[in-house]
Amino acid sequence: NAGVTQTPKFQVLKTGQSMTLQCAQDMNHEYMSWYRQDPGMGLRLIHYSVGAGITDQGEVPNGYNVSRSTTEDFPLRLLSAAPSQTSVYFCASSLIPGEQYFGPGTRLTVT
Amino acid sequence: AQTVTQSQPEMSVQEAETVTLSCTYDTSESNYYLFWYKQPPSRQMILVIRQEAYKQQNATENRFSVNFQKAAKSFSLKISDSQLGDTAMYFCALEDSNYQLIWGAGTKLIIKP
Repeated sequence: NAGVTQTPKFQVLKTGQSMTLQCAQDMNHEYMSWYRQDPGMGLRLIHYSVGAGITDQGEVPNGYNVSRSTTEDFPLRLLSAAPSQTSVYFCASSLIPGEQYFGPGTRLTVT
Repeated sequence: AQTVTQSQPEMSVQEAETVTLSCTYDTSESNYYLFWYKQPPSRQMILVIRQEAYKQQNATENRFSVNFQKAAKSFSLKISDSQLGDTAMYFCALEDSNYQLIWGAGTKLIIKP
């Protein structure tokens, strides 16, 4: 049982490039979400999904796309990277309220 | 809008002392969960303790306990017999009925030898 995995751990992009952050969980959790963490702040919700085929926006969705074709995977796409998207990104999953499991995070730098 | 506020940006105590981290929140929901997460330099989010709002009894996990005051919307974390390994950022978070977590800005806790 690997829990929540994220790849890559680190990534450097140039402004305007696109990329996909991968998130996978093997716990058969319906709920998955993406957060970003900026220095000196708590996490902020980008997008979330309550099951395969269902996604919705969180607090800071601009510049990001998501899809949920399977229960296990929830990739986050940066369409055209900007320096303001430099952050640490966390993926989380949950089966029931009050139990969220976090991945190890991806540190993204956009130059 | 739901909010979580941590008013202590940084705290430091001597090893073996007791320290209390403060958290206040605002929500209109009747049932919700409150959490304290620890984030060491490795940046992994580690769940420290969880409290269900409808439970009056304060949650306890070994050296960690909470003081949950529902009417005052206060949720403080007490760490007893603090250890060097407790040095980390600590985040208070509120989970709403849509599974969404609302986070405080964090408190940096330093345990001095």
